[in-house]
Amino acid sequence: QVHLVQSGAEVKKPGSSVKVSCKPSGGTFSNYEITWVRQAPGQGLEWMGRITSVYGTTYYAERFQGRVTITADESTDTAYLQVTSLTSEDTAVYYCASMGQWGQGTLVTVSS
Amino acid sequence: QSALTQPPSVSGSPGQSVTISCTGTSSDIGSYNRVSWYQQPPGAAPKLILFDVNNRPSGVPDRFSGSKSGNTASLTISGLQAEDEADYYCNSYTSRSTYVFGTGTKVTVL
Repeated sequence: QVHLVQSGAEVKKPGSSVKVSCKPSGGTFSNYEITWVRQAPGQGLEWMGRITSVYGTTYYAERFQGRVTITADESTDTAYLQVTSLTSEDTAVYYCASMGQWGQGTLVTVSS
Repeated sequence: QSALTQPPSVSGSPGQSVTISCTGTSSDIGSYNRVSWYQQPPGAAPKLILFDVNNRPSGVPDRFSGSKSGNTASLTISGLQAEDEADYYCNSYTSRSTYVFGTGTKVTVL
């Protein structure tokens, strides 16, 4: 069974950027869509965006348009989520999801 | 895109059935059969339990079932068990080619 392995926790300053990675273990992303979701402390799930496998087309939730970038590197079979202009409201656990599986989550803390 | 609306909490005794509603609009649930449900125990990552309204991934018990009518989807848990205590989220495809989650429902087993 495929497991999605994400990069480790990050602490960032307001105004900076963060890039989180997601890599499948025991499988490959080929022909599968990758989605990113976040969950602020004590809050619900929030859909951020997705990238399709065939043409690498991206779709973003309206509120993240222009501040979030999702990419996928075929050569390393790794997906990335980059969030810019961070504020304290971006403090959350960020999850990747694909092939019916979810990563373990990456905690991003934004604090001065 | 606003979040889909779910009741904050539902509860039931072991063996009973509980149903969670998920209300959207004609731009999401009402137009597509791409509704999924996720179970999230405390401190854990979400787990897919239903997709395309009423399809279960391998390994998910048939106690979990789904339905849809108009702009509202529903998840029913039959024969409630202590291990079902968790947060549940619906999710739907939208007319913008994006997805949207529900507000989440906490299921308590009495």
